[in-house]
Amino acid sequence: DIQMTQSPSSVSASVGDRVTITCRASQGIYSWLAWYQQKPGKAPELLISAASKLQSGVPSRFSGSGSGTDFTLTISSLQPEDFATYYCQQGHSFPVTFGGGTKVEIK
Amino acid sequence: QVQLVESGGGVVQPGRSLRVSCAGSGFTFSSFGMHWVRQAPGKGLEWVAIISYDGSNEYYADSVKGRFTISRDNSKNTLYLQVNSLRAEDTAVYFCAKDRYSGAAAGSLIDYWGQGTLVTVSS
Repeated sequence: DIQMTQSPSSVSASVGDRVTITCRASQGIYSWLAWYQQKPGKAPELLISAASKLQSGVPSRFSGSGSGTDFTLTISSLQPEDFATYYCQQGHSFPVTFGGGTKVEIK
Repeated sequence: QVQLVESGGGVVQPGRSLRVSCAGSGFTFSSFGMHWVRQAPGKGLEWVAIISYDGSNEYYADSVKGRFTISRDNSKNTLYLQVNSLRAEDTAVYFCAKDRYSGAAAGSLIDYWGQGTLVTVSS
């Protein structure tokens, strides 16, 4: 099975800060990497597919990069509505696996 | 728009069984793979299973293999998860999710999620 290691597990940041979250796969997954945002009590929402493709309606301050084993989600200027937990997920092979999550908290 | 509505959760005793359902609408249900993903209280997301668009292929997480069965009825636009021999560690919100692709082969992307149904395993 492919293990997804996400870091950090939590980050405290202020509105306007740049936040970077990393995700590492235990083996190469090409660009089969997605990022999701989850707010408390809600279902996750897809932000980025294919490592770097921003989904329709997602603000441009979100961006994704990487391929192979190392991936990054960047929020260029943190907004109040961005405080949430973020998960990476590989879809290269079954079983599908998620990273452990990164909680973005208000500083 | 895509809607996924889960039902069937509740409190169940250890060792018992339960079937959760998910009704899909707003898309051609029979064309896409479908997933179950669960989240224990205060924990991260754990993928459970996928079924291909026509029900001919299924894949499971090792943690549920042999106890859980995913199925679908395309005539009713409904996805199911039969959960047997329930354990305390199966307590979680169970999310139904749509794949962007057929689910017939590796290479998947979850693009829509339902709101989830809570399954609590307790005596």
